[in-house]
Amino acid sequence: EDQVTQSPEALRLQEGESSSLNCSYTVSGLRGLFWYRQDPGKGPEFLFTLYSAGEEKEKERLKATLTKKESFLHITAPKPEDSATYLCAVKTGANNLFFGTGTRLTVIP
Amino acid sequence: DAMVIQNPRYQVTQFGKPVTLSCSQTLNHNVMYWYQQKSSQAPKLLFHYYDKDFNNEADTPDNFQSRRPNTSFCFLDIRSPGLGDAAMYLCATSRDEIRNTDTQYFGPGTRLTVL
Repeated sequence: EDQVTQSPEALRLQEGESSSLNCSYTVSGLRGLFWYRQDPGKGPEFLFTLYSAGEEKEKERLKATLTKKESFLHITAPKPEDSATYLCAVKTGANNLFFGTGTRLTVIP
Repeated sequence: DAMVIQNPRYQVTQFGKPVTLSCSQTLNHNVMYWYQQKSSQAPKLLFHYYDKDFNNEADTPDNFQSRRPNTSFCFLDIRSPGLGDAAMYLCATSRDEIRNTDTQYFGPGTRLTVL
Protein backbone atom coordinates (compact mmCIF):
# COMPACT_ATOMS: atom_id res chain seq x y z
CA GLU A 1 0.00 0.00 0.00
CA ASP A 2 1.27 3.46 -0.94
CA GLN A 3 2.27 5.49 2.07
CA VAL A 4 3.66 8.98 2.72
CA THR A 5 4.87 9.90 6.19
CA GLN A 6 6.02 13.34 7.26
CA SER A 7 8.02 14.13 10.36
CA PRO A 8 7.99 15.84 12.70
CA GLU A 9 4.27 16.64 12.96
CA ALA A 10 5.14 20.04 14.44
CA LEU A 11 8.36 22.01 14.69
CA ARG A 12 9.12 25.21 16.57
CA LEU A 13 12.25 27.12 15.58
CA GLN A 14 13.81 30.34 16.68
CA GLU A 15 14.26 32.85 13.89
CA GLY A 16 17.55 32.01 12.17
CA GLU A 17 17.65 28.42 13.46
CA SER A 18 18.03 26.15 10.42
CA SER A 19 16.39 22.72 10.30
CA SER A 20 14.99 20.03 8.01
CA LEU A 21 11.58 18.47 7.45
CA ASN A 22 11.33 14.85 6.36
CA CYS A 23 9.00 13.09 3.94
CA SER A 24 9.44 9.34 3.64
CA TYR A 25 7.49 7.33 1.12
CA THR A 26 6.77 3.81 0.04
CA VAL A 27 4.98 3.85 -3.29
CA SER A 28 4.87 1.78 -6.42
CA GLY A 29 6.27 3.72 -9.32
CA LEU A 30 7.14 7.23 -8.19
CA ARG A 31 6.34 9.76 -10.92
CA GLY A 32 7.21 12.84 -8.91
CA LEU A 33 7.41 14.23 -5.40
CA PHE A 34 5.86 17.62 -4.67
CA TRP A 35 6.28 20.06 -1.81
CA TYR A 36 3.54 22.54 -0.96
CA ARG A 37 3.17 25.24 1.66
CA GLN A 38 -0.25 25.73 3.24
CA ASP A 39 -1.18 28.71 5.39
CA PRO A 40 -4.16 28.38 7.78
CA GLY A 41 -7.48 28.56 5.97
CA LYS A 42 -5.87 28.66 2.51
CA GLY A 43 -5.12 26.26 -0.30
CA PRO A 44 -1.71 24.63 -0.76
CA GLU A 45 0.85 26.76 -2.58
CA PHE A 46 3.23 24.91 -4.88
CA LEU A 47 6.92 25.02 -3.95
CA PHE A 48 8.90 22.27 -5.72
CA THR A 49 8.71 19.15 -7.85
CA LEU A 50 11.42 16.48 -7.69
CA TYR A 51 11.49 13.60 -10.16
CA SER A 52 14.55 11.47 -9.50
CA ALA A 53 16.93 10.53 -6.69
CA GLY A 54 19.74 13.01 -6.29
CA GLU A 55 17.72 15.94 -7.59
CA GLU A 56 17.74 19.21 -5.63
CA LYS A 57 15.68 22.40 -5.97
CA GLU A 58 16.09 25.73 -4.17
CA LYS A 59 13.92 28.77 -3.60
CA GLU A 60 14.98 31.53 -1.25
CA ARG A 61 15.53 29.91 2.18
CA LEU A 62 14.14 26.53 1.10
CA LYS A 63 15.96 23.61 -0.47
CA ALA A 64 14.36 20.29 -1.35
CA THR A 65 16.27 17.06 -1.91
CA LEU A 66 15.21 13.57 -2.95
CA THR A 67 16.53 10.07 -2.36
CA LYS A 68 14.97 6.74 -3.31
CA LYS A 69 13.05 6.57 -0.04
CA GLU A 70 12.66 10.11 1.27
CA SER A 71 12.78 13.80 0.64
CA PHE A 72 14.00 16.58 2.85
CA LEU A 73 12.95 20.20 2.92
CA HIS A 74 15.81 22.20 4.38
CA ILE A 75 15.01 25.62 5.80
CA THR A 76 18.00 27.91 6.22
CA ALA A 77 17.81 30.84 8.65
CA PRO A 78 14.00 30.82 8.79
CA LYS A 79 11.92 33.93 9.36
CA PRO A 80 8.52 34.20 11.09
CA GLU A 81 6.85 34.49 7.67
CA ASP A 82 8.01 30.93 6.92
CA SER A 83 5.55 29.68 9.53
CA ALA A 84 3.05 27.38 7.77
CA THR A 85 2.22 23.73 7.25
CA TYR A 86 4.48 22.07 4.69
CA LEU A 87 2.87 19.25 2.74
CA CYS A 88 4.64 16.54 0.80
CA ALA A 89 2.81 14.66 -1.95
CA VAL A 90 3.82 11.87 -4.31
CA LYS A 91 2.47 11.00 -7.71
CA THR A 92 2.48 7.30 -8.47
CA GLY A 93 1.97 5.12 -11.49
CA ALA A 94 -1.73 5.19 -10.63
CA ASN A 95 -1.67 8.90 -11.45
CA ASN A 96 -2.94 9.91 -8.05
CA LEU A 97 -1.42 12.71 -5.95
CA PHE A 98 -1.08 11.22 -2.47
CA PHE A 99 -0.45 13.64 0.38
CA GLY A 100 1.23 13.31 3.75
CA THR A 101 -0.38 14.97 6.75
CA GLY A 102 2.19 17.75 6.84
CA THR A 103 4.64 19.37 9.22
CA ARG A 104 3.38 22.45 11.04
CA LEU A 105 6.28 24.87 11.29
CA THR A 106 6.33 27.80 13.71
CA VAL A 107 9.20 30.28 13.59
CA ILE A 108 9.48 32.44 16.68
CA PRO A 109 10.92 35.97 16.39
CA ASP B 1 -2.51 36.70 -13.09
CA ALA B 2 -3.62 33.24 -14.09
CA MET B 3 -5.19 31.51 -11.19
CA VAL B 4 -7.65 29.10 -9.62
CA ILE B 5 -10.66 30.81 -8.03
CA GLN B 6 -13.12 29.26 -5.60
CA ASN B 7 -16.46 30.66 -4.52
CA PRO B 8 -17.66 31.13 -1.96
CA ARG B 9 -14.70 31.11 0.45
CA TYR B 10 -17.03 30.24 3.32
CA GLN B 11 -20.30 28.32 3.01
CA VAL B 12 -22.74 27.46 5.76
CA THR B 13 -25.50 24.97 5.08
CA GLN B 14 -27.99 22.97 7.08
CA PHE B 15 -27.92 19.24 7.58
CA GLY B 16 -29.41 17.64 4.47
CA LYS B 17 -29.70 20.86 2.45
CA PRO B 18 -27.97 20.58 -0.95
CA VAL B 19 -25.02 22.84 -1.56
CA THR B 20 -22.87 23.68 -4.60
CA LEU B 21 -19.29 24.89 -4.52
CA SER B 22 -17.72 26.59 -7.50
CA CYS B 23 -14.26 26.57 -9.03
CA SER B 24 -12.99 28.49 -12.03
CA GLN B 25 -9.56 28.72 -13.61
CA THR B 26 -7.80 31.05 -15.98
CA LEU B 27 -4.87 28.67 -16.55
CA ASN B 28 -6.61 26.86 -19.43
CA HIS B 29 -5.64 23.55 -17.86
CA ASN B 30 -7.19 20.31 -19.07
CA VAL B 31 -7.53 18.65 -15.68
CA MET B 32 -9.55 19.85 -12.67
CA TYR B 33 -9.62 18.13 -9.28
CA TRP B 34 -11.70 18.30 -6.11
CA TYR B 35 -10.16 17.47 -2.75
CA GLN B 36 -11.63 17.31 0.72
CA GLN B 37 -9.40 18.36 3.61
CA LYS B 38 -10.46 17.98 7.23
CA SER B 39 -8.71 19.71 10.08
CA SER B 40 -5.06 18.62 10.49
CA GLN B 41 -5.48 15.97 7.79
CA ALA B 42 -4.06 15.50 4.34
CA PRO B 43 -6.12 16.57 1.33
CA LYS B 44 -8.12 13.61 0.02
CA LEU B 45 -8.96 13.37 -3.68
CA LEU B 46 -12.69 13.04 -4.40
CA PHE B 47 -12.66 13.06 -8.22
CA HIS B 48 -11.18 14.74 -11.23
CA TYR B 49 -12.04 15.68 -14.79
CA TYR B 50 -9.67 15.24 -17.69
CA ASP B 51 -11.38 17.53 -20.17
CA LYS B 52 -14.95 16.20 -20.01
CA ASP B 53 -14.01 12.74 -18.80
CA PHE B 54 -15.07 12.24 -15.19
CA ASN B 55 -12.95 10.07 -12.88
CA ASN B 56 -14.37 9.17 -9.50
CA GLU B 57 -12.24 7.85 -6.65
CA ALA B 58 -13.47 4.46 -5.44
CA ASP B 59 -14.16 5.63 -1.90
CA THR B 60 -15.89 8.91 -2.73
CA PRO B 61 -19.43 8.79 -1.31
CA ASP B 62 -22.36 8.96 -3.75
CA ASN B 63 -23.46 12.09 -1.89
CA PHE B 64 -20.73 13.97 -3.78
CA GLN B 65 -21.22 14.83 -7.44
CA SER B 66 -19.41 17.07 -9.87
CA ARG B 67 -20.09 18.94 -13.09
CA ARG B 68 -17.75 20.55 -15.55
CA PRO B 69 -19.78 22.54 -18.10
CA ASN B 70 -16.71 23.97 -19.84
CA THR B 71 -12.92 24.14 -19.56
CA SER B 72 -12.95 27.00 -17.09
CA PHE B 73 -15.54 25.93 -14.55
CA CYS B 74 -16.09 22.94 -12.29
CA PHE B 75 -18.72 22.47 -9.59
CA LEU B 76 -18.92 20.25 -6.54
CA ASP B 77 -22.45 19.29 -5.51
CA ILE B 78 -23.14 17.80 -2.11
CA ARG B 79 -26.65 16.39 -2.33
CA SER B 80 -27.41 15.86 1.35
CA PRO B 81 -24.63 17.24 3.55
CA GLY B 82 -24.01 15.52 6.84
CA LEU B 83 -22.09 16.79 9.83
CA GLY B 84 -19.12 14.69 8.70
CA ASP B 85 -18.92 16.61 5.44
CA ALA B 86 -17.80 19.78 7.18
CA ALA B 87 -14.34 20.42 5.78
CA MET B 88 -12.23 22.58 3.50
CA TYR B 89 -12.89 21.77 -0.15
CA LEU B 90 -9.98 22.41 -2.45
CA CYS B 91 -10.06 22.73 -6.22
CA ALA B 92 -6.88 22.14 -8.19
CA THR B 93 -5.87 22.13 -11.84
CA SER B 94 -3.07 20.64 -13.89
CA ARG B 95 -2.17 21.03 -17.51
CA ASP B 96 -2.28 17.47 -18.68
CA GLU B 97 -3.09 14.18 -16.98
CA ILE B 98 -1.29 12.09 -19.56
CA ARG B 99 2.00 13.76 -18.69
CA ASN B 100 1.37 12.58 -15.20
CA THR B 101 4.25 14.44 -13.61
CA ASP B 102 2.39 17.71 -14.07
CA THR B 103 2.11 20.01 -11.09
CA GLN B 104 -1.30 20.63 -9.53
CA TYR B 105 -2.16 24.23 -8.65
CA PHE B 106 -4.68 24.82 -5.91
CA GLY B 107 -7.33 27.41 -5.28
CA PRO B 108 -7.82 29.08 -1.88
CA GLY B 109 -10.48 26.59 -0.81
CA THR B 110 -14.06 26.78 0.42
CA ARG B 111 -14.65 26.17 4.10
CA LEU B 112 -17.97 24.31 4.49
CA THR B 113 -19.84 24.35 7.79
CA VAL B 114 -22.84 22.05 8.29
CA LEU B 115 -25.30 23.01 11.02
